[in-house]
Amino acid sequence: TQLLEQSPQFLSIQEGENLTVYCNSSSVFSSLQWYRQEPGEGPVLLVTVVTGGEVKKLKRLTFQFGDARKDSSLHITAAQPGDTGLYLCAGVGFVEYGNKLVFGAGTILRVKS
Amino acid sequence: EAGVTQFPSHSVIEKGQTVTLRCDPISGHDNLYWYRRVMGKEIKFLLHFVKESKQDESGMPNNRFLAERTGGTYSTLKVQPAELEDSGVYFCASSRMGVETQYFGPGTRLLVL
Repeated sequence: TQLLEQSPQFLSIQEGENLTVYCNSSSVFSSLQWYRQEPGEGPVLLVTVVTGGEVKKLKRLTFQFGDARKDSSLHITAAQPGDTGLYLCAGVGFVEYGNKLVFGAGTILRVKS
Repeated sequence: EAGVTQFPSHSVIEKGQTVTLRCDPISGHDNLYWYRRVMGKEIKFLLHFVKESKQDESGMPNNRFLAERTGGTYSTLKVQPAELEDSGVYFCASSRMGVETQYFGPGTRLLVL
């Protein structure tokens, strides 16, 4: 069974601070995705990282995939109250397994103004 | 393009009753996935349809759960009889063939009393 450990579970910071969320596994994934989920809605894809060592940037968000494709991190620079929400990482299984997603438990981020 | 829709948005039933959840995927998406998040746990894969065929149902908890996708369009997930531990949020997601990106619906919040 593939598992994805996500940390921290909760993060409460002041506006302008930086933060990093981690996702770790003992399994190799085809790719790794980061989602953001708002209350009452489903997860919305932010980014997919595919290549070991890959770094992708989305405005103030930086996503990195570990060299061995087992772990990933999400770094937010100068967090804003609008960044508040639930962040989920998900490992994508290989195509022979139907690309099913294995989710981490999520990180609830609260950015205070 | 309309997104993935799910019905109902909420359902409260008593233990032993039957509930049927419906998912309408994005038009043209052959892949349809069901996931579930129970309280305090990560989102977990339940099953995967390719068109009307069950590709992978390894995540289905037990035989009280029955998923169908007649005609390869919408899908239903029936729980009969419902138990307390079935409470949670049931998400549906869809994707095009050969594409990893899954689009999630808003979920159905099921509470079994």
